[in-house]
Amino acid sequence: AQSVAQPEDQVNVAEGNPLTVKCTYSVSGNPYLFWYVQYPNRGLQFLLKYITGDNLVKGSYGFEAEFNKSQTSFHLKKPSALVSDSALYFCAVRAPGDDKIIFGKGTRLHILP
Amino acid sequence: GAVVSQHPSWVICKSGTSVKIECRSLDFQATTMFWYRQFPKQSLMLMATSNEGSKATYEQGVEKDKFLINHASLTLSTLTVTSAHPEDSSFYICSARVEAGGSDTQYFGPGTRLTVL
Repeated sequence: AQSVAQPEDQVNVAEGNPLTVKCTYSVSGNPYLFWYVQYPNRGLQFLLKYITGDNLVKGSYGFEAEFNKSQTSFHLKKPSALVSDSALYFCAVRAPGDDKIIFGKGTRLHILP
Repeated sequence: GAVVSQHPSWVICKSGTSVKIECRSLDFQATTMFWYRQFPKQSLMLMATSNEGSKATYEQGVEKDKFLINHASLTLSTLTVTSAHPEDSSFYICSARVEAGGSDTQYFGPGTRLTVL
């Protein structure tokens, strides 16, 4: 069965610095990988996805993520953090041929002004 | 982008009553919709997968008679929490899968906060 691990409960970054939110996955076959962001009392907003092709995926709001098959990772990155990036970030995976997306536990990103 | 709406955004009800939550895909058709439940400071837990015109597929541990799901059209799925109890209080989020044009992404609604007194 597929699973997703987000090893950090919280990540603190100073505004203007680069940020990384870590994600590793376990799935049979080639994975579909996603990042979503959630603001307080709101649903999830889609940031980016990897299905196939270039390992570096660019998404919304200046975020990008790199698919690393050998390390089974899909870390989320941004070159320069904004205070408005503070939110809860979820990594998710879907196995090929499966309908279901499985979410990680989430990482709270706190950007310090 | 694809927009998913939920109604109501919040609801407070008495224990023992039933509550219906609607999930609509506003600008696309969704053959597959999903219902999630999220407890405070926790991740989303998939409750069920809903396919238009067929019975929902429930995850292990989710009571299908308590959480009734209907997916009557390609743009509407409903979740009814029957005989609600305080432990059913949670944030319920739906999502819809878009598969058209080579895209394969789930878009999420804004969520419904249910409080059962």
